[in-house]
Amino acid sequence: EVQLVESGGGLVQPGRSLKLSCAASGFTFTDYAMAWVRQAPKKGLEWVATISYDGGRSYYRDSVNGRFTFSRDNAKSTLYLQMDSLRSEDTATYYCARFLDYYDGSPFAYWGQGTLVTVSS
Amino acid sequence: NIVMTQSPKSMSISVGDRVTMNCKASQNVYNNIAWYQQKPGQSPKLLIYYTSNRFNRVPDRFTGSGYGTDFTLTINSVQAEDAAFYYCQRIYISPLTFGSGTKLEIK
Repeated sequence: EVQLVESGGGLVQPGRSLKLSCAASGFTFTDYAMAWVRQAPKKGLEWVATISYDGGRSYYRDSVNGRFTFSRDNAKSTLYLQMDSLRSEDTATYYCARFLDYYDGSPFAYWGQGTLVTVSS
Repeated sequence: NIVMTQSPKSMSISVGDRVTMNCKASQNVYNNIAWYQQKPGQSPKLLIYYTSNRFNRVPDRFTGSGYGTDFTLTINSVQAEDAAFYYCQRIYISPLTFGSGTKLEIK
């Protein structure tokens, strides 16, 4: 059974940093690109970032590019999202998600339960 | 970037009715659309991908159709457990943009 478990969310002041983690299990981690998707309170879904199966390539939505860094440790089957220079508009539940297949444009077939990040003074 | 527009924003349907919700892309996305269901307090779940393919164990009352810029999710004989938000998403090419969602309420 595919499982994705996020952690690391919390309350953080504007301008500060936070690092999220996502532990994956139940599938061959190195076969899949992965992604982060966020959802602001009472709002819709927003793709944040994607990382290739080997971690060699990552890309981001414009509003987080240069502030967020997506990485993975394939030995630990774990993803990381380093979020720097946080803004109030980054407040959201952050989900890690696995693509349906090897292609990083396929749909998000599996989702974690999410971790809430609140950016506020 | 492509904009995905969903309509209606909300709808209230009786159990057993048929419901249709729409997703319009601002440019041709061919058949590269997915649909997700999100119930309150839960993570989204993949329902349909590449316009019309049902994901694992999705009931066959859920049907996707369309091509190019106009897409439809149909639920035949709506059940009480179908109350949720439904999101379309442009897939295949980044950015993987979502629509703003349709809220389905059951009377």
